[in-house]
Amino acid sequence: EIVLTQSPATLSLSPGERATLSCRASQSVTRYLAWYQRKPGRAPRLLIYDASNRATGIPARFSGSGSGTDFTLTISSLEAEDSAVYYCQQRSNWPLTFGGGTKVEIK
Amino acid sequence: EVQVLESGGGLVQPGGSLRLSCAASGFTFRDYAMSWVRQAPGKGLEWVSTISENGDSAYSADSVKGRFSISSDNSKTTLYLQMNSLRTEDTAVYYCAKSPLCSGGSCYVFDSWGQGTLVTVSS
Repeated sequence: EIVLTQSPATLSLSPGERATLSCRASQSVTRYLAWYQRKPGRAPRLLIYDASNRATGIPARFSGSGSGTDFTLTISSLEAEDSAVYYCQQRSNWPLTFGGGTKVEIK
Repeated sequence: EVQVLESGGGLVQPGGSLRLSCAASGFTFRDYAMSWVRQAPGKGLEWVSTISENGDSAYSADSVKGRFSISSDNSKTTLYLQMNSLRTEDTAVYYCAKSPLCSGGSCYVFDSWGQGTLVTVSS
């Protein structure tokens, strides 16, 4: 099973700042890495798939990069509505696995 | 508009059974892989099971293998999860999720989710 480790656990930033979230895989997932946003009481929302492809309707301030074992989700200029938990997920191998999440707090 | 709506959750005793349903609409159901993902209280997301488009293949997490079974009915555009031999650690909100198509076929990520159905396993 591929283990995904997300860091930091919590990120506290002000509106307008840049957020950088990390996801590290225990073995290579090539580029088969996705990112989701999860707000309380809401279903998860797909942001990025295959490392850098934005899903339909996702604002350009969200971008993904990386390959192999190291991946990054960047939110270029934080808005209040970006307060959420962010999860990464790999589809390279069965079983599909998720990271433990990074909580983004807006000051 | 793509919609998926889960039902069938509830309170069940350890060792009991439950069948979850997910009614899908707004897309050609048979052309897309569908999955169940769960979230236990205070925990993160955990993939449970996936059925490929047309139901040719099914995959399950080791934690549920041999106890849970995923299936689909294209005529009813409905996804199911039969859960047997339930354990307290199966307590979670269960989400139905659709996978998009990527170049080369199904892309096993989740682009549409339901609101979830709560399963509580307790005596």
